[in-house]
Amino acid sequence: NAGVTQTPKFQVLKTGQSMTLQCAQDMNHNSMYWYRQDPGMGLRLIYYSASEGTTDKGEVPNGYNVSRLNKREFSLRLESAAPSQTSVYFCASTVRVRSSQHFGDGTRLSIL
Amino acid sequence: DQQVKQNSPSLSVQEGRISILNCDYTNSMFDYFLWYKKYPAEGPTFLISISSIKDKNEDGRFTVFLNKSAKHLSLHIVPSQPGDSAVYFCAASAMGDNYGQNFVFGPGTRLSVLP
Repeated sequence: NAGVTQTPKFQVLKTGQSMTLQCAQDMNHNSMYWYRQDPGMGLRLIYYSASEGTTDKGEVPNGYNVSRLNKREFSLRLESAAPSQTSVYFCASTVRVRSSQHFGDGTRLSIL
Repeated sequence: DQQVKQNSPSLSVQEGRISILNCDYTNSMFDYFLWYKKYPAEGPTFLISISSIKDKNEDGRFTVFLNKSAKHLSLHIVPSQPGDSAVYFCAASAMGDNYGQNFVFGPGTRLSVLP
């Protein structure tokens, strides 16, 4: 099925470990996004990529890096995981600016 | 400070009745708004949007109303069905904020439609 695929679905890390969350979309969308969702809060934008080859910081970029590998793939890296990064991470894509976003099913990340 | 607020964490409605979900925003530059629905263990899915040049947009059972002077929008679901039970997020963007790519989400309202 067409859509946004995130891997892994679940992950447990120890403080200080590194991890890359993968995201791929097969809808030929130009823009891709990474959000985190915490209890009682809406989705908060970490980083986004307006088009292949560009990335920009969102609201909460500290502690994360991203790579727009090609048009399909946008990865999120935690270099040194901290307990405050325990969250559900969502990747999204959109065909053009200001259109609705298509979301993956999320990665549930726990950092001990 | 939250720019997009959904002050009701939860709402219960009887099947067949109207569900009204509310959203307030503080940033007067927001000019495009969306509603998403989210089931457990899934990502949000788009429901309906509205631009600030309109005050109402309809799509089937879903209608969004925008009151710019009050900085308030609402989502009406009529009639409500058990399958509508989910968390609903309001999101907003401002064209001047990097061409509107930065969507700000509210904390969500959990809707329960009782049979």
